[in-house]
Amino acid sequence: AQRVTQPEKLLSVFKGAPVELKCNYSYSGSPELFWYVQYSRQRLQLLLRHISRESIKGFTADLNKGETSFHLKKPFAQEEDSAMYYCALSGADKLIFGTGTRLQVFP
Amino acid sequence: EPEVTQTPSHQVTQMGQEVILRCVPISNHLYFYWYRQILGQKVEFLVSFYNNEISEKSEIFDDQFSVERPDGSNFTLKIRSTKLEDSAMYFCASRLQETQYFGPGTRLLVL
Repeated sequence: AQRVTQPEKLLSVFKGAPVELKCNYSYSGSPELFWYVQYSRQRLQLLLRHISRESIKGFTADLNKGETSFHLKKPFAQEEDSAMYYCALSGADKLIFGTGTRLQVFP
Repeated sequence: EPEVTQTPSHQVTQMGQEVILRCVPISNHLYFYWYRQILGQKVEFLVSFYNNEISEKSEIFDDQFSVERPDGSNFTLKIRSTKLEDSAMYFCASRLQETQYFGPGTRLLVL
């Protein structure tokens, strides 16, 4: 079955602390994985795609096929990173989302 | 930068009534989607649409749901006879290549 698991509903850190938002997936085949972010009162927007291997707003994510994970990391969190983060898997032309992790960054 | 737009932002309706949710995808995009998110739950796929026909639909997308692209710009989701459990945030998305771009959503409340 195709599934995305984000085990943490809420992650709270202080500004400047490292952040890791966990994502594990289940998919038979070669997955395409994404991180979407939703800031307060805004739309879902793409943060990262694993294919592009780029760093956006200081965030990176590496696909680990052995552990079936695609964790999102940032070395130094900023207050403006506070948002809802969704890991998603592209399966046969649809996105399969995890339940999301709310990141709170305190000053 | 072009964006997906959705109207209305909020809709309140009585159980059993028909609702139409409207989306204007990004103009050169070819693939269109509807998702929904019940409060406190994950974003769920409803339907994908390409070349004027449904390419995939989920189990949620039963006979009460339909989609249409009535002209070159709009993409609509119709719920024929709403149920209480249809209350959710409905998101439209579109894509040209790999990335799906989402609209701001329509919050539907069925009373």
